[in-house]
Amino acid sequence: AQSVAQPEDQVNVAEGNPLTVKCTYSVSGNPYLFWYVQYPNRGLQFLLKYITGDNLVKGSYGFEAEFNKSQTSFHLKKPSALVSDSALYFCAVRDSGNAGNMLTFGGGTRLMVKP
Amino acid sequence: DTAVSQTPKYLVTQMGNDKSIKCEQNLGHDTMYWYKQDSKKFLKIMFSYNNKELIINETVPNRFSPKSPDKAHLNLHINSLELGDSAVYFCASSLPSPTTMDQETQYFGPGTRLLVL
Repeated sequence: AQSVAQPEDQVNVAEGNPLTVKCTYSVSGNPYLFWYVQYPNRGLQFLLKYITGDNLVKGSYGFEAEFNKSQTSFHLKKPSALVSDSALYFCAVRDSGNAGNMLTFGGGTRLMVKP
Repeated sequence: DTAVSQTPKYLVTQMGNDKSIKCEQNLGHDTMYWYKQDSKKFLKIMFSYNNKELIINETVPNRFSPKSPDKAHLNLHINSLELGDSAVYFCASSLPSPTTMDQETQYFGPGTRLLVL
């Protein structure tokens, strides 16, 4: 079984400050981890992923995430937030042994960046 | 040059009707998916399909059925629509795993907003 949790429904941050959006996961095998962003009335856009290799993953729009196996976490980070980063962020996981490449998504975290 | 497209964008219909949502991808991907996003924005996988197998999330009612006329299309048919089917439905596609460095990444369509009255 695979599951993912995003403990915060909303994260508020001031423009220019660093941001973190939290994600923890549970799998029985090896995790494949993803972050997606959804802007209002739009589809999901891929930000970054961890499959294997370096624990620090860099993605689109200056975002990065760190895979921490001991804490089963994959938090999304950005050094300096922009107002345009305000959106709904989804963490997703797939167990490497899961057939069909089916992702399990977290409940989403709304990021609000204030000027 | 849209990568994953869906039609219609909006669909309003009555309970009990049968409807279809179309999905097309021009990425050359082999695997396609359907997801449902409810009013609380929770996303749930419904189906995973490539030319070899269909994998169904066991919680999906059998009123929902995917149909793939070819590798670039995966349409979603819904029979006897119910109020609870109101949601946004997203199509996605990916390369099969393992293939290239872009394996695993799913690319999503813009969504179809279904409202059942």
